[in-house]
Formats: sequence, C-alpha cells, structure tokens
Amino acid sequence: EPEVTQTPSHQVTQMGQEVILRCVPISNHLYFYWYRQILGQKVEFLVSFYNNEISEKSEIFDDQFSVERPDGSNFTLKIRSTKLEDSAMYFCASRLQGNSPLHFGNGTRLTVT
Amino acid sequence: ELKVEQNPLFLSMQEEKNYTIYCNYSTTSDRLYWYRQDPGKSLESLFVLLSNGAVKQEGRLMASLDTKARLSTLHITAAVHDLSATYFCAVDIGGAQKLVFGQGTRLTINP
Repeated sequence: EPEVTQTPSHQVTQMGQEVILRCVPISNHLYFYWYRQILGQKVEFLVSFYNNEISEKSEIFDDQFSVERPDGSNFTLKIRSTKLEDSAMYFCASRLQGNSPLHFGNGTRLTVT
Repeated sequence: ELKVEQNPLFLSMQEEKNYTIYCNYSTTSDRLYWYRQDPGKSLESLFVLLSNGAVKQEGRLMASLDTKARLSTLHITAAVHDLSATYFCAVDIGGAQKLVFGQGTRLTINP
C-alpha cells in the first residue's frame, strides 16, 4: 500500500538554526499538510497546501515557517530560526480528495537544544 | 473557531468490557474521522464518517456520527489488550482544507 514517507526520522538542531523536514506524499494525492504533536499532546494543524499554494495556515505557522513542493514529489517544511518550543514530532500528511482521510507519515522528531 | 472535545481523556478498562468514547465539536460539519495512535508512532485512519447517521464498524470498534448533535462516538465492544492506544477524532471543515483534532483519549486495557 502506498505510504507517506518522511525524512529524517529524528533531527537534533541548535536554537537559531534552520531545519528542513522532508516528505514524499502518496503520488496521486492532491492535498498536503503539516501537523505537529508535542510529546503526548494534541495534534496541531500547521498548514495545508493545494494546487501549488498554501490553502490554510494556523497561528503557529508564522514567518519562521515555510513550505515548498519543489519538484512535484517532495513537500518540505522549513523552519528558519528554530526555538526551543519548536521541539515536537512533525507529521506530514496527504489526501486524495477533499473528503478522503489524511494519510500520515511516520513523523520527524525535532529536538531543539 | 472550531473546538473539538473528547471525553474521557484517559480510560482504563478491563478486557471483555464495553465502553464509549465521545467526540463533541462546536461548528457544523458532516465529515468526521477517527484515528488510532500507538506510542511513538504515526496516526492510522480507522473510520471516515461523511453524513448524518453514518455508522461504521471494524472488528470490536464501531463509530457513529450525529451531525445535528455535533457528536460522534467510538464504541468498543469486549475490549482486548491490542486495542490499547490513543484514539483521536478529527473534524473536517469543508473548504477550510484542514482537520481539527480532539485532544485524544488514551485507552489502556488491562487483562
């Protein structure tokens, strides 16, 4: 069964550094998402992406965050200057159409020291 | 702003017992999803509920949706240890291109 794949599985970075989290959504899916989950807590929406542009973003997704789909297969989340509170599990997800379930990747655990 | 609330947040059950997890949401929607998450793992889609009165069953789990009451339930029948996990409901706001998740219900099933 097709999967959403995310790399790396774990990223450790120092405060103030830039990180790029990478995702390969399922190939025929049209809608792409980033969510994050602080350990043991709620799954929080960051951003959705459709037709090569951001559809919706949350308050968390401020100017430090950006997304790209550079080549028709990868979908990346960049954090320009990481803060301690950015430490979380970041999940990429995709869906085929507007009423199908989101398929989640295995996540990237980001640790900011 | 859409709020999605689950209860209970923690549930410890004995095997073979039945129980229900509730998911209430604050605005009109007819699309609701249930997910399972094992510790340290991703979210696995369990059920997709796309209309009022929708009922889906898979094994010992059954989910339903009442859009008028803005309520979904996840019913567990004759629980077994393998069902121990955290269960999330998520509500889809049509056109808003996002799912809003509840807080999750951590279910522990004891032998």
